[in-house]
Amino acid sequence: DQQVKQNSPSLSVQEGRISILNCDYTNSMFDYFLWYKKYPAEGPTFLISISSIKDKNEDGRFTVFLNKSAKHLSLHIVPSQPGDSAVYFCAASANRETSGSRLTFGEGTQLTVNP
Amino acid sequence: EPEVTQTPSHQVTQMGQEVILRCVPISNHLYFYWYRQILGQKVEFLVSFYNNEISEKSEIFDDQFSVERPDGSNFTLKIRSTKLEDSAMYFCASRVGLATWETQYFGPGTRLLVL
Repeated sequence: DQQVKQNSPSLSVQEGRISILNCDYTNSMFDYFLWYKKYPAEGPTFLISISSIKDKNEDGRFTVFLNKSAKHLSLHIVPSQPGDSAVYFCAASANRETSGSRLTFGEGTQLTVNP
Repeated sequence: EPEVTQTPSHQVTQMGQEVILRCVPISNHLYFYWYRQILGQKVEFLVSFYNNEISEKSEIFDDQFSVERPDGSNFTLKIRSTKLEDSAMYFCASRVGLATWETQYFGPGTRLLVL
C-alpha cells in the first residue's frame, strides 16, 4: 500500500533549527491529514491535522502545510527541541458515506534533534 | 486527560492458540478501531466498529479475527488461531463521532509475539 509515502526514513537537526518532515500521497479522495508522533513502546500521539479545504494549520511550534495539486504535505517544527526526537507518522483519511474513515499511514520518519 | 488504555502490554502465545487483546476507549467516543504494526512495517488498519457492528475492515481482517464490545467500556480483538505472522504491535484507537476531521486517539499498544 503506497498511498501515503514518507521518503525520508530519518532526519537529524540541531536544537533550535527548523525540522521539515515531508509526506506524499496518491489517493485524491483523501481529505484529512494528520501527523502523529511516536516514542518507542508507546502508541501514536496526535500532533496536528489539516483538512483539504485549508493549506496551512499552525499550533504553537508545529505547522502543517498542504499542497493539494502536488499531493504533498509537510510538517514544520520551529524551533526544534531534543524532546521532539521521535518517529513522526503522516496519516490520511477519506470522507466516506459509511462510517469508518480508516487512517492510511506513511512509513514514518525518525527525527533526531541534537542538543 | 482521557486516554485509550490497552491490556496486556505484552502477550506471548504459541501458534494456533487464541488470544484476546483488550482496549478501553475514551468514554464519550463512539467509533473504535484496531490497527497493527509489524516490526519494520507501516501501521496498518484492521477494522473499525460503530454501534455494535463492524463498519469497515481491511483485507487483513479475515475469519481468524473478530471484535466485540462486550460491555459499555471494553473493546476486544480476538485472534482465534494465531499464526507466526500475527506477531506485531496492536493498537486500539477511538474517535468521538463520524466526521472525517475528528481525530483518532491511540492506545499504547499490545505487543503480541507468536512462537
